[in-house]
Amino acid sequence: QKEVEQDPGPLSVPEGAIVSLNCTYSNSAFQYFMWYRQYSRKGPELLMYTYSSGNKEDGRFTAQVDKSSKYISLFIRDSQPSDSATYLCAMRRVSGSARQLTFGSGTQLTVLP
Amino acid sequence: ETGVTQSPTHLIKTRGQQVTLRCSSQSGHNTVSWYQQALGQGPQFIFQYYREEENGRGNFPPRFSGLQFPNYSSELNVNALELDDSALYLCASRSEQGQETQYFGPGTRLLVL
Repeated sequence: QKEVEQDPGPLSVPEGAIVSLNCTYSNSAFQYFMWYRQYSRKGPELLMYTYSSGNKEDGRFTAQVDKSSKYISLFIRDSQPSDSATYLCAMRRVSGSARQLTFGSGTQLTVLP
Repeated sequence: ETGVTQSPTHLIKTRGQQVTLRCSSQSGHNTVSWYQQALGQGPQFIFQYYREEENGRGNFPPRFSGLQFPNYSSELNVNALELDDSALYLCASRSEQGQETQYFGPGTRLLVL
């Protein structure tokens, strides 16, 4: 079983829809939680990160972490065609000298105009 | 653009050969990590270098090795290539150990035949 599970999709929504992307994890040592966006033929780009549980909002994006359920979510409001990409969740422990990230497998999102 | 560049963009090798991939970090970024991203998967942590020394390693065999240079460039070397080494190789840099924002390069796509 993988430490981080993510629904691979693909997910296709109309422009303006609310998108919900989710990951579950098994390692309770994870304390930092991130969401990356990866366009085709590009490297991942950090969208948001959250420490421990709670919500964080940045424009149209909201990240939620529920450590009791080992479940994290990314919501995209008023989705745009430019949001079409693969979304990767990632997480890491607090301890250790290396900021090693453990990624989910990614969800491919297409926003249709 | 993140300011992180990688070369070459694409590479084809045969099984048993050796390969060197290169990364140029942003100025001032003294920490670089390398990841392997197989098709349809999330990136997997290979190792991290901080001030020219390896200070963290994922579950990869010793035939994966690296170097970091004072001019913020780094290398990933893979010996005795195997078919399963075919993947996108990403480097990511950040300025200090405590920063969460890692800037990924566009990657090098390696195909092993």
